Amino acid sequence: SQQGEEDPQALSIQEGENATMNCSYKTSINNLQWYRQNSGRGLVHLILIRSNEREKHSGRLRVTLDTSKKSSSLLITASRAADTASYFCATGGGFQKLVFGTGTRLLVSP
Amino acid sequence: GAGVSQTPSNKVTEKGKYVELRCDPISGHTALYWYRQSLGQGPEFLIYFQGTGAADDSGLPNDRFFAVRPEGSVSTLKIQRTERGDSAVYLCASSLLADTQYFGPGTRLTVL
Repeated sequence: SQQGEEDPQALSIQEGENATMNCSYKTSINNLQWYRQNSGRGLVHLILIRSNEREKHSGRLRVTLDTSKKSSSLLITASRAADTASYFCATGGGFQKLVFGTGTRLLVSP
Repeated sequence: GAGVSQTPSNKVTEKGKYVELRCDPISGHTALYWYRQSLGQGPEFLIYFQGTGAADDSGLPNDRFFAVRPEGSVSTLKIQRTERGDSAVYLCASSLLADTQYFGPGTRLTVL
């Protein structure tokens, strides 16, 4: 079963613009992770934020976490065509299963 | 070093046949996970190994699905009497540290 949902389901922007996608989840968590998936195949780990953190940065990525609202957001700044992919949030890990959301499909046009 | 590898990359089979999907984890990773991803959905957990034993197989949909990891490294996911609904991308991941799972490229299974 899916943990929650990403919003929007699809996002289309121009290169150089920022992309924001949101994730909601259902149960209490120890951490939340974001993954990128190109062409419906392997997932690449982007960033992990722990439940006691509110914001985390990695390069052009910024992740926020609001445990009171059970939600997280991923911001990609100055997007590039190479950022075109599907983005998933996932809860769990810690030698346990990851539970993924439904994903946001991002299209960045040159 | 090399990442997680999965073979075959694509598998087409007929309804009712038996298939095996292989996963080679990153060397030294003790934990190995199988997920299944249907079109337009996020990956869904199937089974998790710690070493040779299945620590959590709660995601296996029914008894047609079985997975082994006899030497604590390579794992094989086995599907008996395949059904069209089994068509999906099967993803394998491995981890050493507790938090980050590293995924392979997946096997796309098509059951005709």
